[in-house]
Amino acid sequence: NAGVTQTPKFRVLKTGQSMTLLCAQDMNHEYMYWYRQDPGMGLRLIHYSVGEGTTAKGEVPDGYNVSRLKKQNFLLGLESAAPSQTSVYFCASSKRGAGYTFGSGTRLTVV
Amino acid sequence: GQQVMQIPQYQHVQEGEDFTTYCNSSTTLSNIQWYKQRPGGHPVFLIQLVKSGEVKKQKRLTFQFGEAKKNSSLHITATQTTDVGTYFCAGPFTTSGTYKYIFGTGTRLKVLA
Repeated sequence: NAGVTQTPKFRVLKTGQSMTLLCAQDMNHEYMYWYRQDPGMGLRLIHYSVGEGTTAKGEVPDGYNVSRLKKQNFLLGLESAAPSQTSVYFCASSKRGAGYTFGSGTRLTVV
Repeated sequence: GQQVMQIPQYQHVQEGEDFTTYCNSSTTLSNIQWYKQRPGGHPVFLIQLVKSGEVKKQKRLTFQFGEAKKNSSLHITATQTTDVGTYFCAGPFTTSGTYKYIFGTGTRLKVLA
């Protein structure tokens, strides 16, 4: 059982470039989430989804877009990367009200 | 706004000493979750507390949910080097009918051998 898989694990972008982070889960979870983690800031929710075809904004959504076309996949897009988006990005999934299963993270640097 | 606060932010202890981290919410919570993140790793779910005043134990870890369901604590007895990491609490909040967890800022534990 793979759990939650994130790709890529590392990426360096130039300012203004775009990219998509992929999250895939094989646990049939309804809920999926994207967080970013910065030193001293804990985990901040970017966007989340409560089911296939639905998305919602979290605490820090600006500069990001998401899509949940299939239940098992949740994509996070950066249309025009900025240095302020340098961070570690975690995807997670869960059943409603249950503990989250996190992926191993994507370390993104924007130069 | 929706906030979950944790104290302390950092804690250094000698191996064998006890450690406690506290979590406080601005509103009453239906439940609270705890996670551990090892250095360089990802958060791992530890436990969920649901009932007022609930106490649960996992080996040397004791989790407590306050009577008013607005605070929680995690206590580690006789810390070991394997306890190193950041401990997060998370509380559920509902916005526009959707349910999600907000994480505290975490307590980073360093254990000195």
